[in-house]
Amino acid sequence: AQSVAQPEDQVNVAEGNPLTVKCTYSVSGNPYLFWYVQYPNRGLQFLLKYITGDNLVKGSYGFEAEFNKSQTSFHLKKPSALVSDSALYFCAVRVISGGYNKLIFGAGTRLAVHP
Amino acid sequence: KAGVTQTPRYLIKTRGQQVTLSCSPISGHRSVSWYQQTPGQGLQFLFEYFSETQRNKGNFPGRFSGRQFSNSRSEMNVSTLELGDSALYLCASSRGEEYNEQFFGPGTRLTVL
Repeated sequence: AQSVAQPEDQVNVAEGNPLTVKCTYSVSGNPYLFWYVQYPNRGLQFLLKYITGDNLVKGSYGFEAEFNKSQTSFHLKKPSALVSDSALYFCAVRVISGGYNKLIFGAGTRLAVHP
Repeated sequence: KAGVTQTPRYLIKTRGQQVTLSCSPISGHRSVSWYQQTPGQGLQFLFEYFSETQRNKGNFPGRFSGRQFSNSRSEMNVSTLELGDSALYLCASSRGEEYNEQFFGPGTRLTVL
């Protein structure tokens, strides 16, 4: 079955340290992958996407993600975390299911950056 | 450029009632998608409208319906509300290609009593 998984419910990191939020996927064909962030009582904000080309994708707010086809992963990274990065992060992938094209989201990973 | 707007932001209804939520996409975007977000089920895709036609749909019962107008504005309707329909309903717009990112509105928080 086509799916996307975020294996960690929560990630804790100290401010200034690098952070990684993990995402793995299972789709037919070439994947279109996205990362979004959600702050409390807000909608989702787009961070970055992988369509094709360079495996390292750079996005908003200093975030980047690495597409790894052999490991079917698309982990979100940032070299130096900020307290303001604390939020809920969603990985998403385009799938064709039942004849319909739709974006499916992982369960989300809560990132907590401590001062 | 103005973002995606959703009205109302908060809504309280009772079981059995119906509700209509509204979404205005970013100017120039022809695709509008709707999602339901709950703590237990996460983000679930409801349906997508493109150029006034439902192009894609998720696995929700027929009580959930929508439409899109010629100006790309979209409405979502839920009839015969159930307690389990309490959720944050998010609308997202995009240019419509499958590789385009979606831009989300702030959501409508629906509470069913």
